[in-house]
Amino acid sequence: QKEVEQNSGPLSVPEGAIASLNCTYSDRVSQSFFWYRQYSGKSPELIMSIYSNGDKEDGRFTAQLNKASQYVSLLIRDSQPSDSATYLCAASNSGYALNFGKGTSLLVTP
Amino acid sequence: GAGVSQSPSNKVTEKGKDVELRCDPISGHTALYWYRQSLGQGLEFLIYFQGNSAPDKSGLPSDRFSAERTGGSVSTLTIQRTQQEDSAVYLCASSALQGENEKLFFGSGTQLSVL
Repeated sequence: QKEVEQNSGPLSVPEGAIASLNCTYSDRVSQSFFWYRQYSGKSPELIMSIYSNGDKEDGRFTAQLNKASQYVSLLIRDSQPSDSATYLCAASNSGYALNFGKGTSLLVTP
Repeated sequence: GAGVSQSPSNKVTEKGKDVELRCDPISGHTALYWYRQSLGQGLEFLIYFQGNSAPDKSGLPSDRFSAERTGGSVSTLTIQRTQQEDSAVYLCASSALQGENEKLFFGSGTQLSVL
């Protein structure tokens, strides 16, 4: 059973703080990892992808991958109320379907 | 088209009726996914098509669910003898490549309500 686990939250952070979202996966052969953001009533949209151990930064977002620990995280710096959404972690192995976690709800309070 | 197109956007049906949901992926995308999302829940994988390979049907919840993809493009998800627990948003997504270049583009979904 290939599983991606996330804390459902809600995670509440004040505006301007760092939001830290975490995800673990069970399939050791997973090669590609993604973070999608989903606003209420909308479809998911990709915000970050990561494939190698370490950190990957894109603007206010940093994805972190530790394959030995089977752990992926997303840091959002200088959190804004517009970042309030559900964040979905996903993992895949080439040629196989993308598996999503159930998502973590983030609330950024002004 | 510019994005993944799904139709209908909303479908209300009576228990026991069959429904067909349509997905038109981005032109040239070889991979197509169907997911289901119940209110407040995560994405439940249903089925995955990749090029000419046999589809991965491992997520279909029962034999009432089936899907096909004609000509490597448009896909139809069929639910026979619908039940109230089938009520959810059905999302279709497509992507161009696997692995490092894989990025799923989602349609707006079909909200299915079974009365």
